[in-house]
Amino acid sequence: NAGVMQNPRHLVRRRGQEARLRCSPMKGHSHVYWYRQLPEEGLKFMVYLQKENIIDESGMPKERFSAEFPKEGPSILRIQQVVRGDSAAYFCASSLSPRDPGNTIYFGEGSWLTVV
Amino acid sequence: LAKTTQPISMDSYEGQEVNITCSHNNIATNDYITWYQQFPSQGPRFIIQGYKTKVTNEVASLFIPADRKSSTLSLPRVSLSDTAVYYCLVVFNAGNMLTFGGGTRLMVKP
Repeated sequence: NAGVMQNPRHLVRRRGQEARLRCSPMKGHSHVYWYRQLPEEGLKFMVYLQKENIIDESGMPKERFSAEFPKEGPSILRIQQVVRGDSAAYFCASSLSPRDPGNTIYFGEGSWLTVV
Repeated sequence: LAKTTQPISMDSYEGQEVNITCSHNNIATNDYITWYQQFPSQGPRFIIQGYKTKVTNEVASLFIPADRKSSTLSLPRVSLSDTAVYYCLVVFNAGNMLTFGGGTRLMVKP
């Protein structure tokens, strides 16, 4: 997990507020992935981004959720008007390229969102 | 949708060898198989990765048969600290989505 930095580690939001989760990939990695994990469940893919591009957002809810990975700075997962069902752990991962043979994907320690 | 399948849970005792199998019938020619370990409140941690036959590192071995439709993570002489959820991951070239299986919850008992 060393190198993929996520913040905040814990975030509490009231229903209707916005949550912003940040992810800085490992040095040299230009591919970022976001996953959500509900309590006692597995990892669910949300979105895959490269610098300035969303490559695959098929796992992202169509409303209230958005993600970006700007040319400069961290990747941001944004959840607008949060609801209790958004309470989960959000994990970011990074890689050089998922299609390079043997490329490894590394995960951050996660951001735990609690909606009250 | 291509996916991986693992047993939901396994129990073992300290000192035993544990083998966890993952099936990935739709694996593509260029796909590698990667296994991760996850403890509560932590992110998945890379354990081992392989393409075919056998790979071994300081913590585990990975066995992949010739057809590559499954893989087996082998943990030698487990300890209580190996209690965790283990995931296999295959990068399916059918799409960009990196699909995790449901994970195997390993419980190591004294």
